[in-house]
Amino acid sequence: AQTVTQSQPEMSVQEAETVTLSCTYDTSESDYYLFWYKQPPSRQMILVIRQEAYKQQNATENRFSVNFQKAAKSFSLKISDSQLGDAAMYFCAWGSGNTPLVFGKGTRLSVIA
Amino acid sequence: DVKVTQSSRYLVKRTGEKVFLECVQDMDHENMFWYRQDPGLGLRLIYFSYDVKMKEKGDIPEGYSVSREKKERFSLILESASTNQTSMYLCASGLGSGQRHGYTFGSGTRLTVV
Repeated sequence: AQTVTQSQPEMSVQEAETVTLSCTYDTSESDYYLFWYKQPPSRQMILVIRQEAYKQQNATENRFSVNFQKAAKSFSLKISDSQLGDAAMYFCAWGSGNTPLVFGKGTRLSVIA
Repeated sequence: DVKVTQSSRYLVKRTGEKVFLECVQDMDHENMFWYRQDPGLGLRLIYFSYDVKMKEKGDIPEGYSVSREKKERFSLILESASTNQTSMYLCASGLGSGQRHGYTFGSGTRLTVV
């Protein structure tokens, strides 16, 4: 079975600084998708960024970027110029074909003013 | 934007009651999912459906059932609620082309069973 591991239950970052959230996964599939979701206190899960495994180029969305290392099965999220509104739970997820998304246990990010 | 609407934000039910959690999406998505979210455990898949009247068990289906009579609606049913089903329940929907686009989530139902 596919597994997704987020090894950092909690992280904190100073406002305007950069933080990296870690995610590793285990799969024997060659074609799959990876996602980072944000869940603020409002509880609404928001898609932050997605990566297609067959693309070597790392995905970027404004201040959010990923470091995708396919051989190492690693998919970390970097948040640059952190803002107070970035404080949330962040979930890493893996999906492929007809297999529903598998989520990690989440990382709670605090942003310190 | 796709909207996924969960009928209740908070719900309190008694042990043994039959509980219905409703989820409706408005963008004609083929796929719908129910996840349970607990602190330290992340999101765990209960049931999912890739078509009307179709359902598949996820990782933790025990104590739950689902119904999908119409494409836009996916209901989660707790046949006899128990205190260990106190949790946050998240509904999600996605396009039929596999998982490539990810899902759109509802804002969750926090269920307390007393």
